[in-house]
Amino acid sequence: GAGVSQSPRYKVAKRGQDVALRCDPISGHVSLFWYQQALGQGPEFLTYFQNEAQLDKSGLPSDRFFAERPEGSVSTLKIQRTQQEDSAVYLCASSLATGSGNTIYFGEGSWLTVV
Amino acid sequence: KQEVTQIPAALSVPEGENLVLNCSFTDSAIYNLQWFRQDPGKGLTSLLLIQSSQREQTSGRLNASLDKSSGRSTLYIAASQPGDSATYLCAVGYGNKLVFGAGTILRVKS
Repeated sequence: GAGVSQSPRYKVAKRGQDVALRCDPISGHVSLFWYQQALGQGPEFLTYFQNEAQLDKSGLPSDRFFAERPEGSVSTLKIQRTQQEDSAVYLCASSLATGSGNTIYFGEGSWLTVV
Repeated sequence: KQEVTQIPAALSVPEGENLVLNCSFTDSAIYNLQWFRQDPGKGLTSLLLIQSSQREQTSGRLNASLDKSSGRSTLYIAASQPGDSATYLCAVGYGNKLVFGAGTILRVKS
């Protein structure tokens, strides 16, 4: 497709379960971002990749969160031992290049509910 | 700490009205500022991108202004339509990171 694709769109996980969320960025986009959006709030930055390099992971809330982009295209956000406070929408975004002038394109998100 | 605040939190207007959404930010060392639209259950759509050296950007019925010195931006929507109903998010760019406000929920009544 032409846009950023995320899967699964909806995930219900039992507390303590591990989850993996996938992002397919727009083809050729160098930059890839993950954001977490809690209900009624704006998205919060988690991590940023330039190609396969994870250049900023300052927003990851704990060491239970791990992201990778091994071939510089598809990215996976993994959450280990999920807790109820992890319930949120996880948004992936990509842009053509680095730098501040590039339009950023968001996917529709993966909605995670931890019960 | 880099914080972004949006006022009002919610707004309901009759169709045809002109309206202004406000955004303020605490750290003025910005790279850019963007306004996004988010429809329920959907991702974000970029509306306008203002570079730190610019004062405003326009697209159709939308106009966004930026005043770095005062840490403020406004999004002006002219002749509002029911299809404009959505959440509008202000995001300030610091390097490769966007810091978002909580959004303004807009409802335009027909």
